[in-house]
Amino acid sequence: GAGVSQTPSNKVTEKGKYVELRCDPISGHTALYWYRQSLGQGPEFLIYFQGTGAADDSGLPNDRFFAVRPEGSVSTLKIQRTERGDSAVYLCASSRQGGKEQYFGPGTRLTVT
Amino acid sequence: GQQLNQSPQSMFIQEGEDVSMNCTSSSIFNTWLWYKQDPGEGPVLLIALYKAGELTSNGRLTAQFGITRKDSFLNISASIPSDVGIYFCAGPSGGTSYGKLTFGQGTILTVHP
Repeated sequence: GAGVSQTPSNKVTEKGKYVELRCDPISGHTALYWYRQSLGQGPEFLIYFQGTGAADDSGLPNDRFFAVRPEGSVSTLKIQRTERGDSAVYLCASSRQGGKEQYFGPGTRLTVT
Repeated sequence: GQQLNQSPQSMFIQEGEDVSMNCTSSSIFNTWLWYKQDPGEGPVLLIALYKAGELTSNGRLTAQFGITRKDSFLNISASIPSDVGIYFCAGPSGGTSYGKLTFGQGTILTVHP
């Protein structure tokens, strides 16, 4: 594909449920990032993958959040026991290896009721 | 952690006017990135700066990497209605060699026809 794609575009879930958010990076980009954006704020870093491994997960807020990238391409962000405070737009970005220029997907808007 | 402060927080201008906004940090950045975000979309990379003092243009946009390496500036000349959106500055945080980006809080630009 031409750009980063994310699915679903919107997700509404009940408090306590489990959700999965998917990111498909630009073909050939080895680096993948997840960010979270709250209303009126800039994106905040969650986790960085180089290839299949999570090289930096220091931004994950707690152990309810987990992300995988098993084949070094598509990534899934998983949130267990969702809370209302998890409501935000979850953005995925990718870049070439060693590149600082990140290209973002359209985001998944998560609403926890 | 590192913080980026953007100024102004919002701007209301007439079509055809020039726009200036800036981004400052208490610590040194080695890369500055400027993004634009439209409602419901992910941030789109406008300009990347890699060297202190560097001045880079992209159409009507010009950005500069401050010589102190603690600030950056974005100018838009002859604004048009499609320039409306939120402009974010960003840079790799904590001196990381990869793109763990810290974002400013954004400058909201409104252009009146």
